[in-house]
Amino acid sequence: DAKTTQPPSMDCAEGRAANLPCNHSTISGNEYVYWYRQIHSQGPQYIIHGLKNNETNEMASLIITEDRKSSTLILPHATLRDTAVYYCIVRVADFGNEKLTFGTGTRLTIIP
Amino acid sequence: GAVVSQHPSRVICKSGTSVKIECRSLDFQATTMFWYRQFPKQSLMLMATSNEGSKATYEQGVEKDKFLINHASLTLSTLTVTSAHPEDSSFYICSAIAGPPGTQYFGPGTRLLVL
Repeated sequence: DAKTTQPPSMDCAEGRAANLPCNHSTISGNEYVYWYRQIHSQGPQYIIHGLKNNETNEMASLIITEDRKSSTLILPHATLRDTAVYYCIVRVADFGNEKLTFGTGTRLTIIP
Repeated sequence: GAVVSQHPSRVICKSGTSVKIECRSLDFQATTMFWYRQFPKQSLMLMATSNEGSKATYEQGVEKDKFLINHASLTLSTLTVTSAHPEDSSFYICSAIAGPPGTQYFGPGTRLLVL
């Protein structure tokens, strides 16, 4: 799996959009970008994933650059409950090879 | 999203005893589940892949005789920490695959404290 680089920490004001960057310059053509978050003392929560196109769901939007070497997770209106460690993971998505390798992630703190 | 549960949520045991942790997929069937361990201020580390009806696959450095994994049904995997020692104290988290390949859903975790 390709390695990802994320800033160790970020702050965001409550109610504003939180933009979390992720670099994955060695990503392969068949590797997806996944985002998970982990609130303190809980299991990770799946947020979103994408391959080439931008994706949006009820939790967030995922913007992937055209060269796929980086992506940004956007939480449109951050709340205090969005304070967590956010993990960007790139991997091939095929049956029989679903292992996830977690890096150190970005610790996002939402400021009241 | 798919729901994964774990039991117990926390356990305290004496050194030398064995502890069993259950991981259940509540609203879907999972032929593959994963077990992770997380020490304080560290990221999740994959311990093993649990396959229904067959032996688990352990990551390098994880003792298979110490961390026994049983995946007897499509909704239940168990991790037994045998002869637990204080250094086994950690946060143990399971996950299961539901929906598109690669999408894992995680349980809430089990905090183990070995005295």
